[in-house]
Amino acid sequence: AQSVTQPDIHITVSEGASLELRCNYSYGATPYLFWYVQSPGQGLQLLLKYFSGDTLVQGIKGFEAEFKRSQSSFNLRKPSVHWSDAAEYFCALRDDKIIFGKGTRLHILP
Amino acid sequence: SQTIHQWPATLVQPVGSPLSLECTVEGTSNPNLYWYRQAAGRGLQLLFYSIGIDQISSEVPQNLSASRPQDRQFILSSKKLLLSDSGFYLCAWERGQGNEQYFGPGTRLTVT
Repeated sequence: AQSVTQPDIHITVSEGASLELRCNYSYGATPYLFWYVQSPGQGLQLLLKYFSGDTLVQGIKGFEAEFKRSQSSFNLRKPSVHWSDAAEYFCALRDDKIIFGKGTRLHILP
Repeated sequence: SQTIHQWPATLVQPVGSPLSLECTVEGTSNPNLYWYRQAAGRGLQLLFYSIGIDQISSEVPQNLSASRPQDRQFILSSKKLLLSDSGFYLCAWERGQGNEQYFGPGTRLTVT
């Protein structure tokens, strides 16, 4: 069955440090993949998407993600986090509907 | 550009009372529309989706219903709220299936 796994429920990094959020998926074909961000009490905002082509995808707010078919992964990265990046991040896969992971909450240390 | 609105932003309702949450999309036509619920500490649960007026599918049997009275309006309702209906309700739209979804700001519902 199609699924999205985000292994880390919480991650804490220091401001200015690099970030990588993990996402693994299970899907029978080439998936459409997304990363969303949700600040407390707000809706989800699309950070980036992968449909096909270049496996390194650039998004908004300085984020990027790399699609690795061999590892069934679509990890989100940022070279230097800012305090405003503290939020919950959702990886998602498109089937007939969108399947969301359970999210990773990012905490930033000053 | 397209925008999506949800109303109200917050709501506190007693058990057994009715519910009506509204979602409207501007700047597009014939969107697919979705209702999700997000309980505390949990992921998103798809409740309903609609690919057109009078075409609404329910994902989870529950105390809620949905309607789409106009092309860009999606309503989530209940006749009698339960405590378990508390949560953060999100509406989303997409331009045809297979694309990304765009979310509204959400409604925080507390059932007391």
